[in-house]
Parts: sequence; structure tokens; C-alpha cells
Amino acid sequence: GAVVSQHPSWVICKSGTSVKIECRSLDFQATTMFWYRQFPKQSLMLMATSNEGSKATYEQGVEKDKFLINHASLTLSTLTVTSAHPEDSSFYICSAARTGVYEQFFGPGTRLTVL
Amino acid sequence: GQQLNQSPQSMFIQEGEDVSMNCTSSSIFNTWLWYKQDPGEGPVLLIALYKAGELTSNGRLTAQFGITRKDSFLNISASIPSDVGIYFCAGRRSTGTASKLTFGTGTRLQVTL
Repeated sequence: GAVVSQHPSWVICKSGTSVKIECRSLDFQATTMFWYRQFPKQSLMLMATSNEGSKATYEQGVEKDKFLINHASLTLSTLTVTSAHPEDSSFYICSAARTGVYEQFFGPGTRLTVL
Repeated sequence: GQQLNQSPQSMFIQEGEDVSMNCTSSSIFNTWLWYKQDPGEGPVLLIALYKAGELTSNGRLTAQFGITRKDSFLNISASIPSDVGIYFCAGRRSTGTASKLTFGTGTRLQVTL
């Protein structure tokens, strides 16, 4: 149990376009989902925390208008990178926590490359 | 954002050797977690620690929650090639909630035959 999927696993886009990444909890309901960004050879940095049905809470320094997060259901959260630029190229990882279990289960990540 | 300090940053060891790594913080955490990340994948939870002084094992892995609540240790015994990867510690301040994690800087482990 506690499987989290992400789609797509990788994406290449042109500068200025928007990209949507999906995070799904496949076999449990996730009341809270988290979005992380990881640059090469670096650690995971939390971008935002989202609870189902409410607005996401962004970490300091993360532009909420650039990284749009929607947590519309208990099994799906989406991250949209708007007007992507090369510096947004990174590995984006989501995690989900289910009700009554406080540990986060991570998705396999999405590699975004902006040309 | 804040990161936890892990050491060593990287290590080369021979198959069969034991491995030790640690994670330190300037502030207290109430939960310590250890994850392993393979290239191009998300982290996988190895061990979770919930009480200061707690010592927990998972197969060849043993982790301890430091008494001061500012550090944690992970040991891997009799390493094998599939132990290769990056190990991250993570701390959480709140108990009883799915609150955010602070990750360590990572320890890259390479195992030679």
C-alpha cells in the first residue's frame, strides 16, 4: 500500500510555456500533499504544502503565482509551472500523507527540462 | 530553507563493510526519518524514529534518535552493492500531524566489490 505516482515522469518544454505535473495517491486518500524541488546533487527543498480543498501554503521564496498548486481531491494534486524558464529545470517530487499516518510517501519524481 | 547537516558527504566502501552516517541540527526535532534515493527516483522511507534515545532496526539498517533530539545516526551492516544510493535524513518538528519535513544534505554511498 501507500503508492504515489507522478505524471509525466519527464517533460521537455520551450521557455515561456506552462507545464502541469500530476501527483496521485493510488491506494489511499491523501489529506496532505507536499511538493519538493531537487536540483542535481542537492537535497530536496520543500516548495509547498497542500491540503485537499484549501489553498496551498508556500515556503518562503517560492512564487505562488509561478508554481500553481491545486489539490482538488483526496487522491490528486497538480503543480503547474507557469511561463517556465531554463532556471526552472529541476526534478520535482511530490509526497502524500494519509489520514492517521503521518509519514510521507514519495512519488517517483518528474524531470523538467526547459529549453 | 534550512537543511540538516549530514556527514560524511560521500563515501566509498567495499562490499561487506559496515557504514555509519549521521545527521545534526541546531534545533530540536520530534521525529527523525531516514530515506534512500536511487538515481532518478523519489526517496523511499527506511526507518522512522519517534522518541529521543530510540534505537530501531530494519534488516541490516539500524538508526538512533539522539538524546538531545538534535541528531540521528544510521548504520548499515555488511553492505552490498544495492546499498548504493543517496541517504537522506529528515526531521519533523510537529508530532501527530502530517507536517513538513526538513531534509539533510545527503550522504552518497558507493559500494565496490
